[in-house]
Amino acid sequence: DAGVTQSPTHLIKTRGQQVTLRCSPKSGHDTVSWYQQALGQGPQFIFQYYEEEERQRGNFPDRFSGHQFPNYSSELNVNALLLGDSALYLCATGLGPGNTIYFGEGSWLTVV
Amino acid sequence: RKEVEQDPGPFNVPEGATVAFNCTYSNSASQSFFWYRQDCRKEPKLLMSVYSSGNEDGRFTAQLNRASQYISLLIRDSKLSDSATYLCVVPNAGNNRKLIWGLGTSLAVNP
Repeated sequence: DAGVTQSPTHLIKTRGQQVTLRCSPKSGHDTVSWYQQALGQGPQFIFQYYEEEERQRGNFPDRFSGHQFPNYSSELNVNALLLGDSALYLCATGLGPGNTIYFGEGSWLTVV
Repeated sequence: RKEVEQDPGPFNVPEGATVAFNCTYSNSASQSFFWYRQDCRKEPKLLMSVYSSGNEDGRFTAQLNRASQYISLLIRDSKLSDSATYLCVVPNAGNNRKLIWGLGTSLAVNP
């Protein structure tokens, strides 16, 4: 039984570019939350997807967008990358909107 | 008052010591709580869930004090491998239950 999987694990982008990160939930999970974690900080909530819709959102600009597919997997897209977007992006999944507590290994994004 | 607040540490303890971390939360309606462990440059891993007064799993004990709005994590007989950052997490009350994270407490267990 695969846990939460994320891809890619590491990537480097240039300022102004766009990036797409992917998350496959643990088997049986239907809800996906995305977090951004800067070094030395706790994870910051970006948004949550349930039933293919964004259900709630944290304090992130519209440059951050997402999608959930019928198989419950999800993508996080970030446009017009800034240096400050460099962070670990974590995906957490669960069954139902209140239970996204299981994390993938994350995607390390470096913007140069 | 911050939604979730932890002592950042670092806590430096010898092997075999007992160490306790506290976490305070502001929303009195919160019903469940989590402790996560995070190693350097790794994802948070769920350590313990607390839904009532407390929970115990081997050397780890979590206790909840609703009146004072704090959760504690006690680690007995510390091992070198316990060195990590411990994050306190409190879901928002209500249907969305967005996770609210503390900044974490750093623990270093020394030989």
